Amino acid sequence: AQSVTQPDIHITVSEGASLELRCNYSYGATPYLFWYVQSPGQGLQLLLKYFSGDTLVQGIKGFEAEFKRSQSSFNLRKPSVHWSDAAEYFCAANFGNEKLTFGTGTRLTIIP
Amino acid sequence: GAVVSQHPSWVICKSGTSVKIECRSLDFQATTMFWYRQFPKQSLMLMATSNEGSKATYEQGVEKDKFLINHASLTLSTLTVTSAHPEDSSFYICSASRGVTNSPLHFGNGTRLTVT
Repeated sequence: AQSVTQPDIHITVSEGASLELRCNYSYGATPYLFWYVQSPGQGLQLLLKYFSGDTLVQGIKGFEAEFKRSQSSFNLRKPSVHWSDAAEYFCAANFGNEKLTFGTGTRLTIIP
Repeated sequence: GAVVSQHPSWVICKSGTSVKIECRSLDFQATTMFWYRQFPKQSLMLMATSNEGSKATYEQGVEKDKFLINHASLTLSTLTVTSAHPEDSSFYICSASRGVTNSPLHFGNGTRLTVT
């Protein structure tokens, strides 16, 4: 079955520390992959996307993600987090139609 | 960039009444719009896919008579929660697509519905 998995429900990091949020997918081919961020009570903002080509994609707000076919992963990274990065992060995939399948989300908490 | 406007941002209604939520694409024509429901601290669950000029396609387990979707134009889709009950209280989010398979969806800011 087609699915998106985010193994970490909640992650806490110190401000200035590096961050990696994990995302794995289950699909016979390479889906279109996205990372979205959601602040409390808000909609979703697109951080970055991967369709093909260079497996390291750059996004907004200093985020990047690396697609690894061998691991069916699309992990999100940021070298130095800021307090404003605290939010819910969703990995999503398009498995060949316009629908998005979302992971369960990872809540990021930043401590001073 | 593309903008999707969702209105209202929050609404409180009494049990048994109906509530309409609007989703508008402000600077592009959205051939397809999607309606999601999100429970607290959970992910987004797709409720239905709305195509302009045709009937919406509902996901399994979603009551089409309960959640009426209308996509009358390329810039507007509406979700009406009919005969609302407290268990319908949730965060509803719409998204719009330009119609290209790999196009990232643009999301509205959501509507917080509370049914008392």
